[in-house]
Amino acid sequence: DSGVTQTPKHLITATGQRVTLRCSPRSGDLSVYWYQQSLDQGLQFLIQYYNGEERAKGNILERFSAQQFPDLHSELNLSSLELGDSALYFCASSAPSQGNEQFFGPGTRLTVL
Amino acid sequence: EDKVVQSPLSLVVHEGDTVTLNCSYEVTNFRSLLWYKQEKKAPTFLFMLTSSGIEKKSGRLSSILDKKELFSILNITATQTGDSAVYLCAVPTSGTYKYIFGTGTRLKVLA
Repeated sequence: DSGVTQTPKHLITATGQRVTLRCSPRSGDLSVYWYQQSLDQGLQFLIQYYNGEERAKGNILERFSAQQFPDLHSELNLSSLELGDSALYFCASSAPSQGNEQFFGPGTRLTVL
Repeated sequence: EDKVVQSPLSLVVHEGDTVTLNCSYEVTNFRSLLWYKQEKKAPTFLFMLTSSGIEKKSGRLSSILDKKELFSILNITATQTGDSAVYLCAVPTSGTYKYIFGTGTRLKVLA
């Protein structure tokens, strides 16, 4: 158990809908990272927040947005969902004292029908 | 363009064999390279390498970085069925906190 929690575990929804994925980082970690992992794409970095501020952006679609709240939990919002958005979404957290080591949550499996 | 390439894509061995997984990278202002093991769910951290030629070891796993030739290897000796997983390497890109992951090496260890 990495100490990073993600909810929900599984999500099944229809095309065109909007969903919110939630992540709570390890106690004391200020950085939160979001990744998308699909079968044909591998692990793709989406976005990173540090202490509430966006720090780095990867291949995140305009239909997706994220934020980190004052209590350091983060939410990833996916809207106008398409079949191709079906994937495993991971959140990871890290602490400055541990350099670049990231601790991954168990992931949320999103299925868009 | 920054990139991370892993080889082989897939590997099947028998218990007791030794395997070597490769990760080559091209990033400007290299800072570190990380190895992860991914079984059924979330990747779990194995090693972080920052300096060339210094081997990191954890039990039967070891890893080394060559900053001149821009690659790292992960060695697993006396493999066990529990080593079956996808092994990922990742590099943070220049001046940012964006991480690039390789597509991984899928290792299957047969009893």
